[in-house]
Amino acid sequence: GAVVSQHPSRVICKSGTSVKIECRSLDFQATTMFWYRQFPKQSLMLMATSNEGSKATYEQGVEKDKFLINHASLTLSTLTVTSAHPEDSSFYICSASGQLHTEAFFGQGTRLTVV
Amino acid sequence: AQTVTQSQPEMSVQEAETVTLSCTYDTSESDYYLFWYKQPPSRQMILVIRQEAYKQQNATENRFSVNFQKAAKSFSLKISDSQLGDAAMYFCAYRGEGNKLVFGAGTILRVKS
Repeated sequence: GAVVSQHPSRVICKSGTSVKIECRSLDFQATTMFWYRQFPKQSLMLMATSNEGSKATYEQGVEKDKFLINHASLTLSTLTVTSAHPEDSSFYICSASGQLHTEAFFGQGTRLTVV
Repeated sequence: AQTVTQSQPEMSVQEAETVTLSCTYDTSESDYYLFWYKQPPSRQMILVIRQEAYKQQNATENRFSVNFQKAAKSFSLKISDSQLGDAAMYFCAYRGEGNKLVFGAGTILRVKS
């Protein structure tokens, strides 16, 4: 199957700082990438959908100025959590799929802790 | 909007036994995909099985099979000969025309030895 790599796997940052999470498709061109947030023992909540070369589409209730998503190439999407606060602490997961894929492939996830 | 419902927050099964996880969904689309994903403690999402809505035949992958009832909008997962490594959170997911995955709330599966 196709491989999606997400980095970092864990990050701790101070309140007020920004942190960037990368999501890379290693062996296919990801025309669409998705970013999710997951709280412990809960489901994945879709935050936004990004298509290469265009602005991300955010789900209702997700602050686009806080969660900046960039999909500059067919193999890389980034999520930047700006001015992070403790309530942003969570598990963030990306997924990607190419034009010929029916399923989405997931990164390993990033555990963000804001102190 | 599409919704996916998993009504079993937790399930337990004895090793080597069979367990069925339930999933229902709501959609007005005629062409879509359904998936079961497994999320072990590592939290890596792993595709277990997929079903294309236009195919009547139920998908099977080794010990995993589905019971897809399109008219009833039901998509259950059967795990046969359960193993300790099957213990995980299982998510049912729907993918329609928008290509977005809509997930159910998940079912925690515990396997007893």
